[in-house]
Amino acid sequence: DQQVKQNSPSLSVQEGRISILNCDYTNSMFDYFLWYKKYPAEGPTFLISISSIKDKNEDGRFTVFLNKSAKHLSLHIVPSQPGDSAVYFCAATPVGDKLIFGTGTRLQVFP
Amino acid sequence: DTGVSQNPRHKITKRGQNVTFRCDPISEHNRLYWYRQTLGQGPEFLTYFQNEAQLEKSRLLSDRFSAERPKGSFSTLEIQRTEQGDSAMYLCASSLGLAAGGEDTQYFGPGTRLTVL
Repeated sequence: DQQVKQNSPSLSVQEGRISILNCDYTNSMFDYFLWYKKYPAEGPTFLISISSIKDKNEDGRFTVFLNKSAKHLSLHIVPSQPGDSAVYFCAATPVGDKLIFGTGTRLQVFP
Repeated sequence: DTGVSQNPRHKITKRGQNVTFRCDPISEHNRLYWYRQTLGQGPEFLTYFQNEAQLEKSRLLSDRFSAERPKGSFSTLEIQRTEQGDSAMYLCASSLGLAAGGEDTQYFGPGTRLTVL
């Protein structure tokens, strides 16, 4: 069973506009959520996280929103830049445990 | 650079050979994780250590796989009698563990790309 789902395999956004990446989860025990960015042939790079006691966390151009009742989180990137083009993975975990990843969303930001 | 490092970055081997990968975590991190990633998938958990103790192993980790973290610092992952299905990116991550409180972020290394011919 896939406990973390990213239903959009790809997203294409114009430079300067907002990118919204979505993630759904099924396990109510998850209480810490993370977004990673990954370039080909490299390891995932940590981007931003949110704990279950919050509904929003912001870091520069990146904002993560958590809706616990809907078991849904989203990553907003504003404004999008060509360097943001990568695969984005959503991950979830009970605190201090292994990460469960989604299958990723490939973001392409075009000029 | 004080990030997670992994060696080698690439490994090509013939089916049936043994391979060993090394991971050096961020120095103050107590937890060390191994994941495997295949094309089109997110990373999948293999095993993790709290200091030198191996606390959990995934069912993905067959008897041909063994991992160690002998002094609670670096870790090795060995695959014996490799099979073509073992071809993947092997990722190592480290974290502070319980010392981080409720927000224990895992930081990943660059990975080792294994190709079994």
